[in-house]
Amino acid sequence: KQEVTQIPAALSVPEGENLVLNCSFTDSAIYNLQWFRQDPGKGLTSLLLIQSSQREQTSGRLNASLDKSSGRSTLYIAASQPGDSATYLCAVPNFGNEKLTFGTGTRLTIIP
Amino acid sequence: DTGVSQNPRHKITKRGQNVTFRCDPISEHNRLYWYRQTLGQGPEFLTYFQNEAQLEKSRLLSDRFSAERPKGSFSTLEIQRTEQGDSAMYLCASSSGTGFATQYFGPGTRLTVL
Repeated sequence: KQEVTQIPAALSVPEGENLVLNCSFTDSAIYNLQWFRQDPGKGLTSLLLIQSSQREQTSGRLNASLDKSSGRSTLYIAASQPGDSATYLCAVPNFGNEKLTFGTGTRLTIIP
Repeated sequence: DTGVSQNPRHKITKRGQNVTFRCDPISEHNRLYWYRQTLGQGPEFLTYFQNEAQLEKSRLLSDRFSAERPKGSFSTLEIQRTEQGDSAMYLCASSSGTGFATQYFGPGTRLTVL
């Protein structure tokens, strides 16, 4: 059974700093990995989907990396802004039905 | 394309009452998923549809829960005889194609059972 872990559970950094969020998964036989953002009381917004054949995927100030063999992914946020404050979740799909298994998320606070 | 929509956004009910939620996926998305999220946790899979067929149900989905997707368009999730433990955010997502496509999530329905 796939298990997804995100550490730390919460992170506070001053505005302008670069930061890294971590995601680890137990079963390395994944097809892809998806990073989401969730604002308080809201639904999930897809940020990046990185295929298992890729090592990196970039969108603006966000960069996601994937190391299948070690069961790890990172989300790098450059030049953080207060608007980046949210909970960030990573998820991997199961083979066959593509249902997503999520981590518990990292709650990020950017301090102005 | 207006994205995935869910109604209602909030529902407060008394224990023992029945509730029904609706999800409208992105048009022409053939797959539709329901997840449940409790405070401080990531979403957990409940069930999913490919077109109108319900292909899998999680063990989290007790016999008080039922989901439908008539005609392969919108979906409804009904909870009968609600319990306080049902209080959660219920999220719907849709995706297209047959591969591992990006899932797009709706805003969720927040259920509070008193």
